[in-house]
Amino acid sequence: DGGITQSPKYLFRKEGQNVTLSCEQNLNHDAMYWYRQDPGQGLRLIYYSQIVNDFQKGDIAEGYSVSREKKESFPLTVTSAQKNPTAFYLCASSAQGGTGANVLTFGAGSRLTVL
Amino acid sequence: GQNIDQPTEMTATEGAIVQINCTYQTSGFNGLFWYQQHAGEAPTFLSYNVLDGLEEKGRFSSFLSRSKGYSYLLLKELQMKDSASYLCAGVDSNYQLIWGAGTKLIIKP
Repeated sequence: DGGITQSPKYLFRKEGQNVTLSCEQNLNHDAMYWYRQDPGQGLRLIYYSQIVNDFQKGDIAEGYSVSREKKESFPLTVTSAQKNPTAFYLCASSAQGGTGANVLTFGAGSRLTVL
Repeated sequence: GQNIDQPTEMTATEGAIVQINCTYQTSGFNGLFWYQQHAGEAPTFLSYNVLDGLEEKGRFSSFLSRSKGYSYLLLKELQMKDSASYLCAGVDSNYQLIWGAGTKLIIKP
């Protein structure tokens, strides 16, 4: 079945460490997204990519970095510069990026806890 | 500023009907999405409305009034598996999604 796989599902990190969250999709979707979900708040966009080797900052990109070297993969690195990294991270994809109201397919999420 | 408002939590009884409201203020408007998210899982697409009116999909229906900046999700014949959070998201003039905080729906037997 086609879908999005995120790993790891749970991750613990010490302060000052960088961590990378994996996101892989086999839907042949062009666009991929990273969102952060915190209790009592709506999803907030971290980064998105409409095409391989290109990505744009979302609303809360500070302290995060991404790469899009392959169409299927969009890893997110949470750096030590991110001041409050404990959160639930969701990766998503859509068939098309850019203009248009695109239906998103989400992964099951990665829960990061900073100790 | 842009804003999506929806109730934080609602409780309903198995077999009943529940309506989850969502009001939006966006810079321009290109439609509104509803997603369902079970605890700790991926949100899944329920509906997209861009024109006024009611769209029905089985037990779930979604309504939009552009003039009132208002939408609702109607769930009929509630089942225990409908216990989840329901996320409302508006699409602004730049086709960016503005997300509400979600409504946690609790279904009681």
